[in-house]
Amino acid sequence: SQQGEEDPQALSIQEGENATMNCSYKTSINNLQWYRQNSGRGLVHLILIRSNEREKHSGRLRVTLDTSKKSSSLLITASRAADTASYFCATDFNTDKLIFGTGTRLQVFP
Amino acid sequence: DVKVTQSSRYLVKRTGEKVFLECVQDMDHENMFWYRQDPGLGLRLIYFSYDVKMKEKGDIPEGYSVSREKKERFSLILESASTNQTSMYLCASNFAGGDYGYTFGSGTRLTVV
Repeated sequence: SQQGEEDPQALSIQEGENATMNCSYKTSINNLQWYRQNSGRGLVHLILIRSNEREKHSGRLRVTLDTSKKSSSLLITASRAADTASYFCATDFNTDKLIFGTGTRLQVFP
Repeated sequence: DVKVTQSSRYLVKRTGEKVFLECVQDMDHENMFWYRQDPGLGLRLIYFSYDVKMKEKGDIPEGYSVSREKKERFSLILESASTNQTSMYLCASNFAGGDYGYTFGSGTRLTVV
C-alpha cells in the first residue's frame, strides 16, 4: 500500500507538554501534508511541506521532512485541551490526489 | 468564509436504495474528491474529478458512481446501497497543480440498514 503510516496510533499527554507524531511513507512525493480531525467532523488542513523543504513552522506547529528516510514528524508545542483530535499525514505521490494515513489520536488532559 | 458543504450530516437508508450524496464548494476549485472513512482503515479515495464532466476512479470505486455537471458540485451515487457501505463520507476540494491543501466538508455519516 502507498498509504502513509502514523506513529504512535494514540498519544495521551498533559496540557503544556509537547506532542510529537511521526509519519512514514513508501515512494517519492511532491509534498506531504498534515490534517487535524475533531471527533466526527471533517478534516482541517494544518500545514504543507514540499519535498525540497526540511522544516516548516506554523504557530505552535513544527513539521520536519526527511525524504532520505521517507518520514515526517509533526510537533505541537505547549499543547492545550483544544488540541485533542486525530492527526493525519497525507502524501501526494506526485499526483493531485492525496493518500492518507490511518492517523494518530491525541488526547490532551487539562 | 470558504466552504465545502455536504448536503446531509446524517443519513439512514435501506438496503437496495439508490443514494445521492451532494457536495458543493464555493472556492472555484478545479479538483473535487470523495473519500470514505472507516475505523482502522483511515480515509480511502472513492472517486475524484479534475474538471466538469471529468472523473477518475480512486482506490475503492466499486458500488459507487459520481457526477460533476457543474464546477462547484460533485455528487456521489450509491447505485444500490448495501450494509458494507455504512460509513462516514467526506468530500474535499482544492486547486489544481499540486501544493494546495484540501478543504473538507463536515462529512455525511451514512447508515444502511
